[in-house]
Amino acid sequence: AQKITQTQPGMFVQEKEAVTLDCTYDTSDQSYGLFWYKQPSSGEMIFLIYQGSYDEQNATEGRYSLNFQKARKSANLVISASQLGDSAMYFCAMREGWGGGSNYKLTFGKGTLLTVNP
Amino acid sequence: DTAVSQTPKYLVTQMGNDKSIKCEQNLGHDTMYWYKQDSKKFLKIMFSYNNKELIINETVPNRFSPKSPDKAHLNLHINSLELGDSAVYFCASSQAPQYNSPLHFGNGTRLTVT
Repeated sequence: AQKITQTQPGMFVQEKEAVTLDCTYDTSDQSYGLFWYKQPSSGEMIFLIYQGSYDEQNATEGRYSLNFQKARKSANLVISASQLGDSAMYFCAMREGWGGGSNYKLTFGKGTLLTVNP
Repeated sequence: DTAVSQTPKYLVTQMGNDKSIKCEQNLGHDTMYWYKQDSKKFLKIMFSYNNKELIINETVPNRFSPKSPDKAHLNLHINSLELGDSAVYFCASSQAPQYNSPLHFGNGTRLTVT
């Protein structure tokens, strides 16, 4: 089973509008972290936002916020007031557990390509 | 100041050759990683080192050999390159291996094997 599922291969949004990128995850661990990364066409991987499994509040970083629904195992990224520069591939990722073996790794979803239209 | 830097940015080589990619981080992090991004943009971990000790070794052909001379450096050597090795290779680091520690990535090395 996939650990991270991003069901939207591509999304379109108008400039200045908000957009939600979906992410669901699968884990039996109580301790885990969820991350979103942005990869523009230039290729670098940019860390956007983090949500811990024990965090009671949804994470926010500027125009990025995370809609974390633990019971549904979803961690959707919300980008408010989209800008042309937001056009990029967005990856959801998860890290499970507290150290040890494969818990060290960050597992990525397949990504969502966001296009912001003027 | 570049936090995680990898060289070279582009690498074009022929099948059968041996090549290396170097990575350095100046963030003072304990843990470093190599990830491979295929043509469909899927990112998969290859190796991870924590304080110079190998902690993750995914199912990777043994033609790939990582080396960590110190905490700030993690190099990747590839022997007998094959066409299927063509990909973007990312180095990354994190403060710790724990679940709440984000990875910081280098800009990637695009390897093309002809």
